[in-house]
Amino acid sequence: DADVTQTPRNRITKTGKRIMLECSQTKGHDRMYWYRQDPGLGLQLIYYSFDVKDINKGEISDGYSVSRQAQAKFSLSLESAIPNQTALYFCATSDSGPSGELFFGEGSRLTVL
Amino acid sequence: QKEVEQDPGPLSVPEGAIVSLNCTYSNSAFQYFMWYRQYSRKGPELLMYTYSSGNKEDGRFTAQVDKSSKYISLFIRDSQPSDSATYLCAMSPSGGSYIPTFGRGTSLIVHP
Repeated sequence: DADVTQTPRNRITKTGKRIMLECSQTKGHDRMYWYRQDPGLGLQLIYYSFDVKDINKGEISDGYSVSRQAQAKFSLSLESAIPNQTALYFCATSDSGPSGELFFGEGSRLTVL
Repeated sequence: QKEVEQDPGPLSVPEGAIVSLNCTYSNSAFQYFMWYRQYSRKGPELLMYTYSSGNKEDGRFTAQVDKSSKYISLFIRDSQPSDSATYLCAMSPSGGSYIPTFGRGTSLIVHP
């Protein structure tokens, strides 16, 4: 089984719908992240959490919210999806050390029509 | 101007070529430098990690950091079709949150 699991892997939805992307990890890491990847734009940080009671906005948090349900679970919600939120979303985890190696899930491809 | 600049390519080379991938950055506080490799339809995976300036070699891969020029490179010797992927540079400061800042990624295609 993958260390970082994202569900769903693919989702097509309509404008205005609420969408939740879920992430679970078995790495035992305290830190979890949500990134968005668009062609030619690289990885943009949406939200991050350093422990269950800690939630922080990243570069592009507008239109998104998150919930850290447990050390191993971190979900991303789009309350009212819009077409420019069509993208590939990645969950990642890391430990708290300076190397900061990120372990990524396989991605959730979201299409908003 | 973004903190980390990386040419998105694509870079197309023949099998066996030496590949040079590069990033420049503007934040002098960056101390940790990383290269991630991302295959199509997969998440990025850490390929190389370097602290401060200098070189690091791992098999066919060599990472170089020149902090005076704010320039980092990844060299791939004897490139293989299996090296075809997107390569993302990332860097983070010492202290603080250690959250890396990513470049846009360079798409590499190695053709047989």
